[in-house]
Amino acid sequence: GAGVSQSPSNKVTEKGKDVELRCDPISGHTALYWYRQSLGQGLEFLIYFQGNSAPDKSGLPSDRFSAERTGGSVSTLTIQRTQQEDSAVYLCASSLGDRRSPLHFGNGTRLTVT
Amino acid sequence: DQQVKQNSPSLSVQEGRISILNCDYTNSMFDYFLWYKKYPAEGPTFLISISSIKDKNEDGRFTVFLNKSAKHLSLHIVPSQPGDSAVYFCAASGVTQGAQKLVFGQGTRLTINP
Repeated sequence: GAGVSQSPSNKVTEKGKDVELRCDPISGHTALYWYRQSLGQGLEFLIYFQGNSAPDKSGLPSDRFSAERTGGSVSTLTIQRTQQEDSAVYLCASSLGDRRSPLHFGNGTRLTVT
Repeated sequence: DQQVKQNSPSLSVQEGRISILNCDYTNSMFDYFLWYKKYPAEGPTFLISISSIKDKNEDGRFTVFLNKSAKHLSLHIVPSQPGDSAVYFCAASGVTQGAQKLVFGQGTRLTINP
């Protein structure tokens, strides 16, 4: 079946611009996560959705970052006034919602801020 | 504050031999551990997991060992195959982390040589 889909796969933007990243989770998965991986680093948790609500947004680095999920499905991660340190691969994952259900990741969006 | 650490950035193993990847954690509240495998330009894929009530879990060529007293887990791959060449991430979760948040290590790049 279809996996987690992320778009765009690559995004180059100028410093100061806003960007929007999209994630389409696996159908029926109630939980959705955003992580990011900076060069040479591990996966850094950003935010977690259960349905449309975000019980844990503790990983969002600043108020320039926001995310929403509508209809219990598609999610968008928005970064306002991008900075060069925002350059990273942004990964979305979904799961069945049980704490021990494995996360299924998309292929990520590589964001480059020039 | 790196709660999950993979101290070896890279590992090179000959085809057919055993690959051993290590991971240490600091948070004694972690009770569930997972290994993910990542190929370039793809998202991580789930490999194997272990609950803290066990000390070993096996799935085909992959075995994960957990030493709770040492706060250490390892992934054994035997025999190693060229397709195993990838970056391996260990991850951990615990109730106090927020029900669903996985904390990842920095990853170990495994190269299997023919």
